[in-house]
Amino acid sequence: DTGVSQNPRHKITKRGQNVTFRCDPISEHNRLYWYRQTLGQGPEFLTYFQNEAQLEKSRLLSDRFSAERPKGSFSTLEIQRTEQGDSAMYLCASSLGGYDNEQFFGPGTRLTVL
Amino acid sequence: QQQVKQSPQSLIVQKGGISIINCAYENTAFDYFPWYQQFPGKGPALLIAIRPDVSEKKEGRFTISFNKSAKQFSLHIMDSQPGDSATYFCAASISAGGTSYGKLTFGQGTILTVHP
Repeated sequence: DTGVSQNPRHKITKRGQNVTFRCDPISEHNRLYWYRQTLGQGPEFLTYFQNEAQLEKSRLLSDRFSAERPKGSFSTLEIQRTEQGDSAMYLCASSLGGYDNEQFFGPGTRLTVL
Repeated sequence: QQQVKQSPQSLIVQKGGISIINCAYENTAFDYFPWYQQFPGKGPALLIAIRPDVSEKKEGRFTISFNKSAKQFSLHIMDSQPGDSATYFCAASISAGGTSYGKLTFGQGTILTVHP
């Protein structure tokens, strides 16, 4: 499968714990995006990487959130001291850039904070 | 700030009918307008997209109509099928470049149900 993959698919954690999600983009895609989707809403932009450089972060991304993309390949999103409000689907997308910059989404990681 | 507003929230159509979903945007800098289809447990998948230099784009049973002056665009699904039952999202972005980086701003979504 050459699409965007995300792991784990589901994560249940207790409030206050740290969690980390991984995204593997489509090979050779230099752009990588993280979005968050809550029930009944459209995805909301969190952050963007061009290769290994994190170029933009949404104000939705509090200081408890950190994202990395070492070597410009896979990316990780870590949430420290999780809160119940962090419960959501975390989506990763990658693209080649270009005129239309078509973004291909992964299946997401469903986070439930108890 | 909700920059892309989508309606209706839900839509029920009979097989063979036409499904119409509407979106309105505020930011006149948006210049790329994709529609995504999402099935339960899956990530969104690009369906069709349009730029404001054309008023309509058709791909198979799916058509986007675009009204730049009204800042509105809509998705029409002709001959709707039960397999089209999914959540549809409109989105908008500013072409990658500058400080926008092509990030997508999504509407709230429309749950489409096509009855057999």
